[in-house]
Amino acid sequence: EAGVAQSPRYKIIEKRQSVAFWCNPISGHATLYWYQQILGQGPKLLIQFQNNGVVDDSQLPKDRFSAERLKGVDSTLKIQPAKLEDSAVYLCASSSDETGVAGNTIYFGEGSWLTVV
Amino acid sequence: AQTVTQSQPEMSVQEAETVTLSCTYDTSESDYYLFWYKQPPSRQMILVIRQEAYKQQNATENRFSVNFQKAAKSFSLKISDSQLGDAAMYFCAYSDYKLSFGAGTTVTVRA
Repeated sequence: EAGVAQSPRYKIIEKRQSVAFWCNPISGHATLYWYQQILGQGPKLLIQFQNNGVVDDSQLPKDRFSAERLKGVDSTLKIQPAKLEDSAVYLCASSSDETGVAGNTIYFGEGSWLTVV
Repeated sequence: AQTVTQSQPEMSVQEAETVTLSCTYDTSESDYYLFWYKQPPSRQMILVIRQEAYKQQNATENRFSVNFQKAAKSFSLKISDSQLGDAAMYFCAYSDYKLSFGAGTTVTVRA
């Protein structure tokens, strides 16, 4: 079974530039998550999709971050304009919802490393 | 919002010995799940063990076991017979409808 795929793996941009990250979840997984992990901290949920609808985006900085999940499969996370404090690993994850949202095993991708200079 | 606290930033263990990582959480819910995730330097999060709050029996996965104290809101992870491959960052996580992580504990294994 193929895992969660993310690209690009690494990106370096200047502040005020834009960047986009792509995620392809495990086939058949209805729920998709984007997490931000700053060095030395635990991952923080940015947005959670159920199929192509947003379940939770309470911690997404909507003035500069946007995310979409068209057709309920792939997802794109965009940052525009980027700030220095956006330097982090952006982790995409997915789950199948077989046991209900709370008990799902969530499978993570390898992450997209962003450095803003 | 639920909070997850890991009070040990770093832990060191001798190979073949046992180490215990602590985790406490805050919630008003009665039904939830708790997890321990391992994150090696590659940054990919790997599920180690899962505990359902309504189950009193502590979860076990091979050399990994938990001590779940629901009343105390405590969820510690014990790694027995530590191996060099266990070296990683370990995150405690809580989920009712959203998965929230603690700050993590770095585990180093001494040969």
